[in-house]
This record gives sequence, structure tokens and C-alpha cells, in this order.
Amino acid sequence: DSGVTQTPKHLITATGQRVTLRCSPRSGDLSVYWYQQSLDQGLQFLIQYYNGEERAKGNILERFSAQQFPDLHSELNLSSLELGDSALYFCASSPRDAHQTEQYFGPGTRLTVT
Amino acid sequence: GENVEQHPSTLSVQEGDSAVIKCTYSDSASNYFPWYKQELGKRPQLIIDIRSNVGEKKDQRIAVTLNKTAKHFSLHITETQPEDSAVYFCAARYPYDYKLSFGAGTTVTVRA
Repeated sequence: DSGVTQTPKHLITATGQRVTLRCSPRSGDLSVYWYQQSLDQGLQFLIQYYNGEERAKGNILERFSAQQFPDLHSELNLSSLELGDSALYFCASSPRDAHQTEQYFGPGTRLTVT
Repeated sequence: GENVEQHPSTLSVQEGDSAVIKCTYSDSASNYFPWYKQELGKRPQLIIDIRSNVGEKKDQRIAVTLNKTAKHFSLHITETQPEDSAVYFCAARYPYDYKLSFGAGTTVTVRA
């Protein structure tokens, strides 16, 4: 157990809908990262927050957004869902945003869009 | 940004033999290289990492080597066991970026 929690574990929804994925980092960690893992694309970085502020953006679609709250938990919002959004979504946390810091992954949320 | 290539994509070894996975990265400024193990349906787990000021690091049956000149790093698993069967991902971190760039993964199967 990495100490990072994610809810829900599984989510099944229809195209066009909107969902929210939630992540709680390890105690004391200030940075949260979101990754998407599709069968054919491996692990893709989406976005990072540090202590409530956005730090880095990867290949995140405009239909997706995220935020980190004062208690450091983070939410990833996915809207206008398409079949291709079906994937495992992981969040990871690290103590700070220094360049050589380990990232620990949560158990993931499996999103299925039908 | 950083581009990471990982080889091979699949690897089958006999129990007790060694397994080696190789990764190359594109930006010589990258300075942090973790390896993750992911079992089916589970989260990636950090198993070992190496920083750019070190050439080799070992942890029991697992070792990682880094060649900064050639811009490649490798994972070595010795005395493989069935529980080593998983997908292994290498990653590299560019110092002016905060993301990890992952390789495509290697599916390792240890045959009993």
C-alpha cells in the first residue's frame, strides 16, 4: 500500500457524460500527479499540482481539468466523455516538487465509457 | 521534453536466469531514472531508481546501471522468480519539467 488513495475504483458511464475522479496523496506529500494508462499508449502524464497550484501540464485534453484543494486532495474532471477515454487513471504523489523526487502511485480508477 | 524508448517489449526467461531491460532517453539533461513494476490491474510500484550522479545501484536481486554518455539505463534482475512476472516501466525526468516520461513497458514472464 503506497498510502495514496483513489476513488472510485471502477466507473462505468456513457458517452457525453462527465465524471470526477478523486485522489488523496500520502500524508505530508504536497505534489499530486495524474496519469492516464490506455492499452495502446502506456502511462501518459496529464497534469501536476503542487500545494494547490498547477505546476506542469502534459497531454491533457481541454475536456479534462483538475484541481488540488487546501487539504491537498485532488480531483480530475473528465467531461464530454468519448469511448477513447476508457482507461486506467492513476494519481501519484511526492513530498515536494523537486526534480529528483520519488512518485508513489495510487491504486487507480478504471473508467469505462460505453 | 523527454522521449524514452524501452526494449524489449516482451521478455520470457527461465526461473533462476537473469533478465535485462534497456531504456534510452533523448535529453542529456535528464537526471532521475526510476523503474516501476506493474502487476495486472494494479498500480505501478517503484522498485528502484537512480540519479544522474550515480552509475550503478543495487537492491538485493535488482540492479540499475546508468550510462550518461550513451544516454541509456538498464534494469537487471538476477535469479528470477515467478513473482517477478509483471510489466516493467522505465522513466526519465527532465530537470526543467516536473513530469516523468515513461517507456512503453516490458512484459516479463518467468517460466517455472
